[in-house]
Amino acid sequence: AQTVTQSQPEMSVQEAETVTLSCTYDTSESNYYLFWYKQPPSRQMILVIRQEAYKQQNATENRFSVNFQKAAKSFSLKISDSQLGDTAMYFCAFMKHPYSGGGADGLTFGKGTHLIIQP
Amino acid sequence: NAGVTQTPKFQVLKTGQSMTLQCAQDMNHNSMYWYRQDPGMGLRLIYYSASEGTTDKGEVPNGYNVSRLNKREFSLRLESAAPSQTSVYFCASSEQVTSTDTQYFGPGTRLTVL
Repeated sequence: AQTVTQSQPEMSVQEAETVTLSCTYDTSESNYYLFWYKQPPSRQMILVIRQEAYKQQNATENRFSVNFQKAAKSFSLKISDSQLGDTAMYFCAFMKHPYSGGGADGLTFGKGTHLIIQP
Repeated sequence: NAGVTQTPKFQVLKTGQSMTLQCAQDMNHNSMYWYRQDPGMGLRLIYYSASEGTTDKGEVPNGYNVSRLNKREFSLRLESAAPSQTSVYFCASSEQVTSTDTQYFGPGTRLTVL
């Protein structure tokens, strides 16, 4: 089984600053996917960014980028030029490749980081 | 295009009562999932359905049953609710479980069992 650890329960930064959220994971799989989801107060789960483990290039989506270190099993999220609307819970999630054997088993989530953007 | 819808949004049950949470998606997705989210925790997979007619257990299936009624609908049933099942329940769907397609989530159902 895999585990996902987010060591920062809460972070607070000023608007327009850059912030990095940490995530580490433990798995014996070699082929898998990693995700960051955002959950605002509305509770809706929104995909922010995803990374395929076999890709060395770090994924980017506008102001969001990741630092994927496969050997260290680390997957941090960087938010540049933070905005008030970025205030939310952020969850790191892992999914093994369905062809890894044992079938697919959905997403494994960390406990989340509550990010607060201050005006 | 409503995406993933869940009913009800809120529910209060007494211990031992039963109820069914409904989920529907209009994106023609093959795979559907049920998760629960407890305070201070990430989501945990209860059951999933890779395709119409199939269901499989996730990480925390005890006390739940599911039905993939058709391609659009995936219901979660609590036969005899317990206080430990107080949680927020999320349904999700993706094009197919054998791809990296995004899982789209519904708005959640907040369930309290007294």
